[in-house]
Amino acid sequence: RKEVEQDPGPFNVPEGATVAFNCTYSNSASQSFFWYRQDCRKEPKLLMSVYSSGNEDGRFTAQLNRASQYISLLIRDSKLSDSATYLCVVWVGGYQKVTFGTGTKLQVIP
Amino acid sequence: GAGVSQSPRYKVAKRGQDVALRCDPISGHVSLFWYQQALGQGPEFLTYFQNEAQLDKSGLPSDRFFAERPEGSVSTLKIQRTQQEDSAVYLCASSLAPKGAGTDTQYFGPGTRLTVL
Repeated sequence: RKEVEQDPGPFNVPEGATVAFNCTYSNSASQSFFWYRQDCRKEPKLLMSVYSSGNEDGRFTAQLNRASQYISLLIRDSKLSDSATYLCVVWVGGYQKVTFGTGTKLQVIP
Repeated sequence: GAGVSQSPRYKVAKRGQDVALRCDPISGHVSLFWYQQALGQGPEFLTYFQNEAQLDKSGLPSDRFFAERPEGSVSTLKIQRTQQEDSAVYLCASSLAPKGAGTDTQYFGPGTRLTVL
């Protein structure tokens, strides 16, 4: 089993739709979780950190489920500009490596 | 302010050549990471520096890969005797705090696209 797994998609959704992605991780000792966004042929950029209590930033909501070892990202009222690949990132702690998922591609359609 | 910069942006090498990829992190950032990203994949961790100390090199795929950060700022990733499977985008990222601090944002450079013929 991969350390961090994501559905690669693509998820094709119409503008205004709500879409959700999950990311599962294998190491129960994982401490920190993030969602990064990567546009085509660009570098990844932090979208949001994922806190145990869940967090929201505008149209974006991130959740952590430690019992089932997954994190989720919910995007409401999708915009064309949301089209990108969304990377799940997990860090175990100490000086362990940071692990990226393969990414989930989202395409918002007019 | 200036972000993370990488050079060259594109590099074409013949199989067997040595290449050196440079990363200039954000000034004052303690942590520096190198990643390899193949087409359609997420970034794969290669190595991590805290200042000049290379604390984790578990992701380097072979002994042909070598990284250094001698003065705790600029870093160089060197690949010796390049192979076709080395073709990828090499991303550098820096963060302000030591990785042990946990929740720090990584700021990525634009990457170097390496093509080995």
